Amino acid sequence: DAGVIQSPRHEVTEMGQEVTLRCKPISGHNSLFWYRQTMMRGLELLIYFNNNVPIDDSGMPEDRFSAKMPNASFSTLKIQPSEPRDSAVYFCASSWVDTEAFFGQGTRLTVV
Amino acid sequence: GESVGLHLPTLSVQEGDNSIINCAYSNSASDYFIWYKQESGKGPQFIIDIRSNMDKRQGQRVTVLLNKTVKHLSLQIAATQPGDSAVYFCAENMGYGGATNKLIFGTGTLLAVQP
Repeated sequence: DAGVIQSPRHEVTEMGQEVTLRCKPISGHNSLFWYRQTMMRGLELLIYFNNNVPIDDSGMPEDRFSAKMPNASFSTLKIQPSEPRDSAVYFCASSWVDTEAFFGQGTRLTVV
Repeated sequence: GESVGLHLPTLSVQEGDNSIINCAYSNSASDYFIWYKQESGKGPQFIIDIRSNMDKRQGQRVTVLLNKTVKHLSLQIAATQPGDSAVYFCAENMGYGGATNKLIFGTGTLLAVQP
């Protein structure tokens, strides 16, 4: 298995634009997580899914952020409209229930 | 203005020495704990895990100790090598019941290995 695959690896966008980050979890895993990492706040859990269903989205900063998981092999995190303070590295991770989570390489987002 | 970031605790050790990285967790109901290593420009990488019914678990050159009384975890790295230089995070599973995962990460510790 190639591991958790995220795309794009880098994204630079202008303030106000829509940004979509993509994630392909490890085949067979049933939990998927989206994290955001910044110098200010460290690694923050934004949302996690179990069996494609969002379980806890209390970490999503505001309504501009949304996440979907239409099937077991794909998830998106969308920011609309984007703001400079959204600049961060966004990680997707997946796991089998109650086991370690495997992380992707991350998407570095810069909003100018 | 100047931005203020998280102040990462830093542990500086000599190559060949043993390293001990500590972590305090928040939820006494957490039943599963994981140590991750993050190198610059990469995602966190699993090192070792431990469940709440254990006090100690050993891997290759690494040992995790769990003290539930004081909600404390430690990661011991034997014979530290330059390749061990990274930020180390502990994570606790705060999921509800046996069918969910909610991994919450600590702030991390920077391990700097001096040759």
